[in-house]
Amino acid sequence: GNSVTQMEGPVTLSEEAFLTINCTYTATGYPSLFWYVQYPGEGLQLLLKATKADDKGSNKGFEATYRKETTSFHLEKGSVQVSDSAVYFCALSEDTGFQKLVFGTGTRLLVSP
Amino acid sequence: EPEVTQTPSHQVTQMGQEVILRCVPISNHLYFYWYRQILGQKVEFLVSFYNNEISEKSEIFDDQFSVERPDGSNFTLKIRSTKLEDSAMYFCASSESQVSGANVLTFGAGSRLTVL
Repeated sequence: GNSVTQMEGPVTLSEEAFLTINCTYTATGYPSLFWYVQYPGEGLQLLLKATKADDKGSNKGFEATYRKETTSFHLEKGSVQVSDSAVYFCALSEDTGFQKLVFGTGTRLLVSP
Repeated sequence: EPEVTQTPSHQVTQMGQEVILRCVPISNHLYFYWYRQILGQKVEFLVSFYNNEISEKSEIFDDQFSVERPDGSNFTLKIRSTKLEDSAMYFCASSESQVSGANVLTFGAGSRLTVL
């Protein structure tokens, strides 16, 4: 079945460092890909998405490119801030028509001043 | 910004007890979902609900689980007789439509269930 694998955390960075969180997927068909973020005490929030190969999703300085050839959707940010500390979830939507999402385990990012 | 509200934020219960987790989805959304995350594991789909009936459910969603939209605003998840392995964070979500990719889910903050 479809699955998502993302790098284990925590990822610990200093402010202004470059961030990469790896995500690879296994899917039949042509899924859409998502990054969700969960800040402490809050729900999962959509960070960015890409719906087809070579699409780049971007938001709040974060980017991820849908790479069909490597089945990857790595999350990147050029300069992280303390406020980016959160848990990041990579996910894909199965094409079942009801927006069922398949998630990775989540990667905790800790950014220190 | 509209949000999905879940209560309680944390519930502790004894094994074998019934638990009801409550959710208030975004008011103009038509599709509702429950997901769960056991500590250290992936967020897993449990069930989707549309037009007052279950539209899809996972193999996790067995006879111990049920969902209901009792009054047009709340969306509940009931676990009839809790087991230790039901301990998890339960996320409610809603969406406006079912169009894959173009439509996104809005999640609540989660209800943490601890079964002793």
